[in-house]
Amino acid sequence: AQTVTQSQPEMSVQEAETVTLSCTYDTSESNYYLFWYKQPPSRQMILVIRQEAYKQQNATENRFSVNFQKAAKSFSLKISDSQLGDTAMYFCAFMKNNAGNMLTFGGGTRLMVKP
Amino acid sequence: DAGVIQSPRHEVTEMGQEVTLRCKPISGHNSLFWYRQTMMRGLELLIYFNNNVPIDDSGMPEDRFSAKMPNASFSTLKIQPSEPRDSAVYFCASSFDDGEREKLFFGSGTQLSVL
Repeated sequence: AQTVTQSQPEMSVQEAETVTLSCTYDTSESNYYLFWYKQPPSRQMILVIRQEAYKQQNATENRFSVNFQKAAKSFSLKISDSQLGDTAMYFCAFMKNNAGNMLTFGGGTRLMVKP
Repeated sequence: DAGVIQSPRHEVTEMGQEVTLRCKPISGHNSLFWYRQTMMRGLELLIYFNNNVPIDDSGMPEDRFSAKMPNASFSTLKIQPSEPRDSAVYFCASSFDDGEREKLFFGSGTQLSVL
């Protein structure tokens, strides 16, 4: 079974600064997918970024980028130029390659962006 | 498309009562997932349907929980009888599983409170 660990329950950052959220996972699979989801107070789960394990290049989506270290089983999320709207819970998630689209989530990190 | 639609948004009931949560997936999607979110356990997969057939229900807590998908456009999650420990946010998500690991689209969730 896969496990996903987010070791930072809460973090804060000043507006316009950069913050990095940590995620580690444990799996025996060689091919899989990793995701970061954002959950604002509205409760909606929003996909932020996706990484395919067979791709060495780190995924980037505008101000969001990841540092994927496959050997270390680490998948951190960097948010640049933080905005007040980035305040939310952030969940790291794992998906096996051949098991449907089932996600295993980490426990989440609550990010507060301060003005 | 309106996205994944869940109803009701909030449900308050008394212990012992039957509760039915409803989900309408995105049209054309063939995979549907029910997740439960609590502070203690985070986001847990309860059950996964593919082409209306339950594929993995290992996350269903106990016999009090049942899920159905009578057609491609509707699913229910029923709890009978409900207990206070069932209080949580229940999310439905859908995706199109064609072998590519596409992202899941989540509904806004149902906040269930069992008194």
